[in-house]
Amino acid sequence: TQLLEQSPQFLSIQEGENLTVYCNSSSVFSSLQWYRQEPGEGPVLLVTVVTGGEVKKLKRLTFQFGDARKDSSLHITAAQTGDTGLYLCAGVRDMRFGAGTRLTVKP
Amino acid sequence: NAGVTQTPKFRVLKTGQSMTLLCAQDMNHEYMYWYRQDPGMGLRLIHYSVGEGTTAKGEVPDGYNVSRLKKQNFLLGLESAAPSQTSVYFCASSLDRGRGNQPQHFGDGTRLSIL
Repeated sequence: TQLLEQSPQFLSIQEGENLTVYCNSSSVFSSLQWYRQEPGEGPVLLVTVVTGGEVKKLKRLTFQFGDARKDSSLHITAAQTGDTGLYLCAGVRDMRFGAGTRLTVKP
Repeated sequence: NAGVTQTPKFRVLKTGQSMTLLCAQDMNHEYMYWYRQDPGMGLRLIHYSVGEGTTAKGEVPDGYNVSRLKKQNFLLGLESAAPSQTSVYFCASSLDRGRGNQPQHFGDGTRLSIL
């Protein structure tokens, strides 16, 4: 059973700051997805990473997949209040989600 | 463009009562899923379906049953509700995991409280 750990659990920063959140697994991911969830809504897919060492960018968000495909990170540059939400990583094959990082960006 | 629709959005039950949560998708997706989300525990898979007429157990299936009689609908049943089943329930659908890394499309959730 693949266990996903996300850190930190909570993060509160000021608008304009940079941040990184992490997703680590006890075993190798076949592929991994990052989702963002806003209050009262379901998660929405941000990105899928498949290849070890892969880097994907989505505007101010940069996603990295570890070379060994056991970890991933999400870096946000110059955070905005609209980035506030719960960030979840998920292993695609076994449909298992991490507990998430709850990000609050203050104006 | 409705996507994934869950009904009801809120429900309060007494211990021992039964109910059914309905999920409907209009994207012609093969796969459908039911998750529960509890504070600090993320989303946990209850049951899923890989096509009409099929169901399979996920990580936390006990106390729940599901049915997929029509491709567009996936029902989650609680036969005898327990306070431990108080949670937010999410339904999701995806095109086909076999085609590689398809995203899951989620509904907005059903908030269920068992007293």
